[in-house]
Amino acid sequence: EPEVTQTPSHQVTQMGQEVILRCVPISNHLYFYWYRQILGQKVEFLVSFYNNEISEKSEIFDDQFSVERPDGSNFTLKIRSTKLEDSAMYFCASIIPGQINTEAFFGQGTRLTVV
Amino acid sequence: ELKVEQNPLFLSMQEGKNYTIYCNYSTTSDRLYWYRQDPGKSLESLFVLLSNGAVKQEGRLMASLDTKARLSTLHITAAVHDLSATYFCAVDAGGTSYGKLTFGQGTILTVHP
Repeated sequence: EPEVTQTPSHQVTQMGQEVILRCVPISNHLYFYWYRQILGQKVEFLVSFYNNEISEKSEIFDDQFSVERPDGSNFTLKIRSTKLEDSAMYFCASIIPGQINTEAFFGQGTRLTVV
Repeated sequence: ELKVEQNPLFLSMQEGKNYTIYCNYSTTSDRLYWYRQDPGKSLESLFVLLSNGAVKQEGRLMASLDTKARLSTLHITAAVHDLSATYFCAVDAGGTSYGKLTFGQGTILTVHP
């Protein structure tokens, strides 16, 4: 079964450092998403990406965040200068549009710990 | 703005009992998901409900969708300890926000012997 792959599974970084979270979506999917889940809370939408540009972003997705699809397979989330409150589980998801039975597939997540 | 509310948020059940988790949402959608999450783990997809009146069952779990009432239910039959987890519903905003999911707060289910 196809799957969304995220790396690393866990990353510890110092406050102020840049981090890049990586995702390999399912190969024929066209819409890509990042979500965040702070420990003990619900999953929150960060950003959607389609046709090599951001199609929608939430209030959380400020200037410290960026996304790109550098090589046609990877989909990355960069946090420029991490803060303690960025500690969370980050999930990548992808979906193929236009099919009745399509569904979003989530990766296993990257747990980011900012110290 | 799409809002999704689950209730109850905490559910303590005895093994063998039945219960239902409710998911209400505020705007029209034709795609709703139910996920299970174990502590510290990823989201496990349980059900995708795609149309009004959709009902899906897997083991002791059954999910249904009423798009007119903007309500989905996750029914648990004869609960067992292995079902202890957090359950989330998530609603696809659709339209120009196709694929963007708005999650409920989650229901923490604990099944006691």
